[in-house]
Amino acid sequence: DTGVSQNPRHKITKRGQNVTFRCDPISEHNRLYWYRQTLGQGPEFLTYFQNEAQLEKSRLLSDRFSAERPKGSFSTLEIQRTEQGDSAMYLCASSENRKTNEKLFFGSGTQLSVL
Amino acid sequence: KNEVEQSPQNLTAQEGEFITINCSYSVGISALHWLQQHPGGGIVSLFMLSSGKKKHGRLIATINIQEKHSSLHITASHPRDSAVYICAVRPSGGGADGLTFGKGTHLIIQP
Repeated sequence: DTGVSQNPRHKITKRGQNVTFRCDPISEHNRLYWYRQTLGQGPEFLTYFQNEAQLEKSRLLSDRFSAERPKGSFSTLEIQRTEQGDSAMYLCASSENRKTNEKLFFGSGTQLSVL
Repeated sequence: KNEVEQSPQNLTAQEGEFITINCSYSVGISALHWLQQHPGGGIVSLFMLSSGKKKHGRLIATINIQEKHSSLHITASHPRDSAVYICAVRPSGGGADGLTFGKGTHLIIQP
């Protein structure tokens, strides 16, 4: 069990550029979540996958944001035409799909700074 | 109004003190999580509750579903307990399957 891995840890980009983040969940976990966290706030839900299916997207996820999980394993989150307001920590979490409520395991996050 | 409210927002205590962090929520839930976040972003899940009480080491979490309230207690607090403690709920009845988070309680334990 290597835990949830996110890359890169830090990303600095200029406004208007596209960025892509990657999340590798715990291997047997089929649920994967993306969250965004700004300074002094709790994380906010963005989207989640069950296997390769994207089952829910928050209204926070504008059309500049897209997430994929093509083979039901790793996931990518892409932000197009970045804006300064996109600066935040992007967190990924995974869990097993059980009928009983499952425990979430978080990655260390990708800190995005848009200049 | 945030669906999940935590109190206090900030708490500074001396080593050895008994710590209580409170969480109130306004929606029906299927589960409540307590999470610990250290500087640098890493989040660790401490407890997941749907009823009653759970204990792990010096940490105790309780939930009262009728009152929509949960507490996290730390006994014999230690400086290494210094972190942000976040309460998060999983709303019941459909909708987004992700968690709704509180803003966190920033705890500092002084030696």
